[in-house]
Amino acid sequence: DIQLTQSPSFLSASVGDRVTITCRASQGISSYLAWYQQKPGKAPKLLIYSASSLRSGVPSRFSGSGSGSEFTLTISSLQPEDFATYYCQQLDDYPLTFGPGTKLDIK
Amino acid sequence: VHLVESGGGLVQPGGSLRLSCAASGFTFSTYAMTWVRQAPGKGLEWVSSISGSGGSTYYADSVKGRFTISRDNSKNTLFLQMNSLRAEDTAVYYCATFAAYSWMRAFDSWGQGALVTVSS
Repeated sequence: DIQLTQSPSFLSASVGDRVTITCRASQGISSYLAWYQQKPGKAPKLLIYSASSLRSGVPSRFSGSGSGSEFTLTISSLQPEDFATYYCQQLDDYPLTFGPGTKLDIK
Repeated sequence: VHLVESGGGLVQPGGSLRLSCAASGFTFSTYAMTWVRQAPGKGLEWVSSISGSGGSTYYADSVKGRFTISRDNSKNTLFLQMNSLRAEDTAVYYCATFAAYSWMRAFDSWGQGALVTVSS
């Protein structure tokens, strides 16, 4: 099975900050990586697919990069509504797996 | 796209439950579908996926042999039959559309979730 790790697990930041979350896969997954945002009590929301493609309707301050086994999600200028938990997911092979999540909260 | 889960509730260990996911706003039969769960206070766990025709199914090891995913394309509905339930199956279960193409793979639209509690 392909394991995903995310760093950091927790991140405190301020409105306007630039933040980066890293996701590492235990083996190469090409570009079959997605990023999701989840707020408390809500369903996850797709932000990025194919490692770097922004889902329609998602603000351009979100961006993704990487291929192979190392990927990043960057938020260029944090907005109040961005404080949430972020998950990466590999869709290269079954079983499909999620990273453990990164909780982003307000400093 | 609109997905609405139903069928969640309280069940005793060893019991069974069937979740449904009513889909609308897209051509259901052309879309793979998936179930994802989230135990209280925990992260996301992929459970099962099914192709648009229903001819291919996939399961996490944690549910293989106990859960069955299926779909009724005439009724635009996805199902998850859960048998031999355990306390560790307690979670919110989400259905989601699964964009499974060479140029895009992601769970792109999600339902609101259905809570399943396994407890005596």
